[in-house]
Amino acid sequence: GAVVSQHPSRVICKSGTSVKIECRSLDFQATTMFWYRQFPKKSLMLMATSNEGSKATYEQGVEKDKFLINHASLTLSTLTVTSAHPEDSSFYICSARPTSGQETQYFGPGTRLLVL
Amino acid sequence: QQQVKQSPQSLIVQKGGISIINCAYENTAFDYFPWYQQFPGKGPALLIAIRPDVSEKKEGRFTISFNKSAKQFSLHIMDSQPGDSATYFCAATRPGRRALTFGSGTRLQVQP
Repeated sequence: GAVVSQHPSRVICKSGTSVKIECRSLDFQATTMFWYRQFPKKSLMLMATSNEGSKATYEQGVEKDKFLINHASLTLSTLTVTSAHPEDSSFYICSARPTSGQETQYFGPGTRLLVL
Repeated sequence: QQQVKQSPQSLIVQKGGISIINCAYENTAFDYFPWYQQFPGKGPALLIAIRPDVSEKKEGRFTISFNKSAKQFSLHIMDSQPGDSATYFCAATRPGRRALTFGSGTRLQVQP
């Protein structure tokens, strides 16, 4: 149980295009999902907290117009990188916290984004 | 401000040995401390977690030791195996802020 999927697993796009990444909790409901960014050999940096039915909360320094987050249902959150540039190339990982109140967060497998 | 400090940055252990990774935190409001294992190109996977009211928790070969007064906690991997070679992250969270604060990570290499 407690499986989180991400799609796509890898994406290559041209500079200036937008890319959407989906995060799904497959066997549980998640009121809250989180989006992280990870650079090579570095730790995970929280980008934003996604709450179902309300606006996402962004961490300081993260451009909300650049990284659009939508949490339309209890099992799906999406991150859209708008007008992507090479510096947006990174490993994006989502996590989901069960609605049941558990503290545990379950992570997706990550999405590797490469912007040319 | 790094609220969870993790050490060492890298660790090499012989097969069958004990791997020990340490973390220290600053915020006394933290009340949940999980450890995650991450393989290259994959998302982190929860290994084991502990709350401050317990000084030790063991699950299989993995043990968390927690010292509330020192604000430190550690992961012990007994009988380390080459398949344990991965990056390990400690983390912490507190009431009112459900996002995890991660340590900087430890790259573990278990030599056969």
